[in-house]
Amino acid sequence: AQSVAQPEDQVNVAEGNPLTVKCTYSVSGNPYLFWYVQYPNRGLQFLLKYITGDNLVKGSYGFEAEFNKSQTSFHLKKPSALVSDSALYFCAVRDGEYGGATNKLIFGTGTLLAVQP
Amino acid sequence: DTAVSQTPKYLVTQMGNDKSIKCEQNLGHDTMYWYKQDSKKFLKIMFSYNNKELIINETVPNRFSPKSPDKAHLNLHINSLELGDSAVYFCASSQREGNQPQHFGDGTRLSIL
Repeated sequence: AQSVAQPEDQVNVAEGNPLTVKCTYSVSGNPYLFWYVQYPNRGLQFLLKYITGDNLVKGSYGFEAEFNKSQTSFHLKKPSALVSDSALYFCAVRDGEYGGATNKLIFGTGTLLAVQP
Repeated sequence: DTAVSQTPKYLVTQMGNDKSIKCEQNLGHDTMYWYKQDSKKFLKIMFSYNNKELIINETVPNRFSPKSPDKAHLNLHINSLELGDSAVYFCASSQREGNQPQHFGDGTRLSIL
């Protein structure tokens, strides 16, 4: 069974500083990894995904994430944080070995990012 | 151009009542989902439909019954509402392939009095 962990409930960073939101995963086969962002009173919005290929993937709003197979991690990063980046971030994993609609997407517990001006 | 739309946005009702939430997507996706987000923001899948066929049915009480009249719509009917049903319910859609992202509606906030 797959699982995903986000070890930090909250990450605080000053505007202009780099940010990292951590995610580790566990799957039997090849992982399909996703990051989503949720703003207050809104649904989740897709940021980026890793399926295969380059370990560094780039997504929306200047975010990127690095897939590390040996550490089973997929940390979300941004070189320079903005106050408007403050939101709840979810990492999610699906086992790519068994793809398709019957295979569930499992979400982490979320990390609240607070960017101070 | 709302991609995944849910109605109503807010639902306040009393214990024991029956209520429905509607969801529609205009993305041409063939798979739709219902998720429940609790007060701690934990997100858990409830149901998934692919081309009107039930694919995923998590351990959800029988009081919850999804219905998909066509692949663009997935409704959720809840009977005999309980206090513990208070949560935000999200509809989502995607292509069938597991490497495709899901697109979420803005949620229905259900409050049971």
